[in-house]
Amino acid sequence: GQNIDQPTEMTATEGAIVQINCTYQTSGFNGLFWYQQHAGEAPTFLSYNVLDGLEEKGRFSSFLSRSKGYSYLLLKELQMKDSASYLCAVRDSNYQLIWGAGTKLIIKP
Amino acid sequence: DAMVIQNPRYQVTQFGKPVTLSCSQTLNHNVMYWYQQKSSQAPKLLFHYYDKDFNNEADTPDNFQSRRPNTSFCFLDIRSPGLGDAAMYLCATSNGSSYNEQFFGPGTRLTVL
Repeated sequence: GQNIDQPTEMTATEGAIVQINCTYQTSGFNGLFWYQQHAGEAPTFLSYNVLDGLEEKGRFSSFLSRSKGYSYLLLKELQMKDSASYLCAVRDSNYQLIWGAGTKLIIKP
Repeated sequence: DAMVIQNPRYQVTQFGKPVTLSCSQTLNHNVMYWYQQKSSQAPKLLFHYYDKDFNNEADTPDNFQSRRPNTSFCFLDIRSPGLGDAAMYLCATSNGSSYNEQFFGPGTRLTVL
């Protein structure tokens, strides 16, 4: 079966750095996405990785290791507005998105 | 601004009473998706359209139907809502030619009484 694993919940402090991990087992691989979802709202696209390595976009970075079936999302200089769920999704060999259940990130002052 | 619009944002229906959720997009994307998302769970793909081609997920109940009368609009019909169908329903679009990221509408939260 296909599976995406992420921690259910994480807590971090405003101004700090947090790393959210994602491991996956899918039928093929055609890219990995990270989405942010605030409570009661729709997911919004954050990043996309298809090759190994780090993609940096402002305060957010995403890393991929295809051989390990592993990705992480790194958030720097945390702000209160970063409190949200972060969903990892992998596109499989059929170009279908397999979604993780998301990691709820709680930011404390 | 190009966007994905869903109406209504909140829908209340009674057990067994048919309900239709709507989605429209100004992105001119040829792929449209309907997801069901329950609290603290991953979005669950119900079906998607690639242009006019309808693709139903194997585990989507027959109670859920969809229509796409043109490129811009897509509807989700729930023929006989049950209590277990209470969820957020998300519409998304993508540019199928490159299968890039999906753009989501704000969602419709369905309550079944």
